[in-house]
Formats: sequence, structure tokens, C-alpha cells
Amino acid sequence: AQSVTQLGSHVSVSEGALVLLRCNYSSSVPPYLFWYVQYPNQGLQLLLKYTSAATLVKGINGFEAEFKKSETSFHLTKPSAHMSDAAEYFCAVSMNYGGSQGNLIFGKGTKLSVKP
Amino acid sequence: NAGVTQTPKFQVLKTGQSMTLQCAQDMNHEYMSWYRQDPGMGLRLIHYSVGAGITDQGEVPNGYNVSRSTTEDFPLRLLSAAPSQTSVYFCASRAGTGYTDTQYFGPGTRLTVL
Repeated sequence: AQSVTQLGSHVSVSEGALVLLRCNYSSSVPPYLFWYVQYPNQGLQLLLKYTSAATLVKGINGFEAEFKKSETSFHLTKPSAHMSDAAEYFCAVSMNYGGSQGNLIFGKGTKLSVKP
Repeated sequence: NAGVTQTPKFQVLKTGQSMTLQCAQDMNHEYMSWYRQDPGMGLRLIHYSVGAGITDQGEVPNGYNVSRSTTEDFPLRLLSAAPSQTSVYFCASRAGTGYTDTQYFGPGTRLTVL
């Protein structure tokens, strides 16, 4: 079985501070991992994805994530938070075994607040 | 391209009523899916389809029906609404069943069942 766990349902940072959102995965096969962002009253939008091509993945809006197999982690970071980054962030793993159709399993989400 | 569209945006139902949530995509994607989002629960897969005429159950299928007669449309039917189905519903699509395909989401339908 595959799963993702997001540590911290709420994270608050000051504008200009480092953003770190944590995601740990569980998978018996090499995983494919995603980060999605949901702005208030909107659908989800892909930030970045890990497809095994490179362990450090750069996404949109200055976000990046590093796949660490030894720590089973795929944490999302941004060096300097902006007010517009306030949103909910979801980590997801693709079910990548025969018959799974690549269905996504989502974490419970982390709501990011940015203080001026 | 409009992407993934959903109607209605908001809906209030009484217990026992039925309704259909509409979803359409104009990207010629083979794979479409429905999720529900509840506070603190993330997104949970209700049903999905890998092509016209092919549907399957996800994690939380009870109380919902789907069909896929065209590539573009994937409606979700609630036959007899219950308060436990109060949620935000998202439709999503992707090109195929590749494990790394990007999934595109609609704007959501907020459903309240009284």
C-alpha cells in the first residue's frame, strides 16, 4: 500500500521567511510524488512532480522539493515567502503498480499562512 | 481551452433528493475522476474512468454513480442525498493512466445536504 503523510495541518511564516512544508511517503515500490496548491475557493494546481529523473525538482512560483529516499521524504520549500503563497498545499503519491491506473493518493493538506 | 469545467458551483439539497454534478473537459483526456474534499481529510477518490464506457470505484464510492458515454463528459450522480455527502466535489482529468501524468482539476462544486 502507498500513502503520504503531511506533518502540520497549519504552518505560519512571516513574509520573506523560508517556507518548509513536510511530506513523508510510504511505498513498497519507487514512488512518483506530486505537490499541488489550492488557493481559496479554487481547484488544485500542480506545483511540481518527482518522476525519478532528478531528486531536486523545481516547480512554479519559486517552489522546489527534494526527494530523499533514505528519509522517505519529499518536503516542499521556498526561500522567501510572499503574501500570495497563502494557500493549502497537498502532497500526493501516484499508485504505480499494475491495475492502479496511476490514481493519486493525497495527504490531508497543510494550510500556509503568511504574515506581513 | 477551458480545461476542466464543473457545474453548478454551489448546490443545496434536502435529504433524499437526487442530483447530477456535471464535469466536462476539452483536452481530449482519456482519464477522468471525481474527488470529494472534506476538512482535515484531504481529497478522496470517489470514482474514475479510463475512457468512454469504462468506470471503476475509488476509495469512497458508496452513494454515488457515474457513467462515461463520451470522452468529454463525466457526470457524478447522487441518487438519494444524505447529510454525510455535504462536501466540496472536484472533477479532474489527465491524458492517460501514466503514473507521472499531470492531473488537472476543475474549480469544484460545493454541495450542502440538509
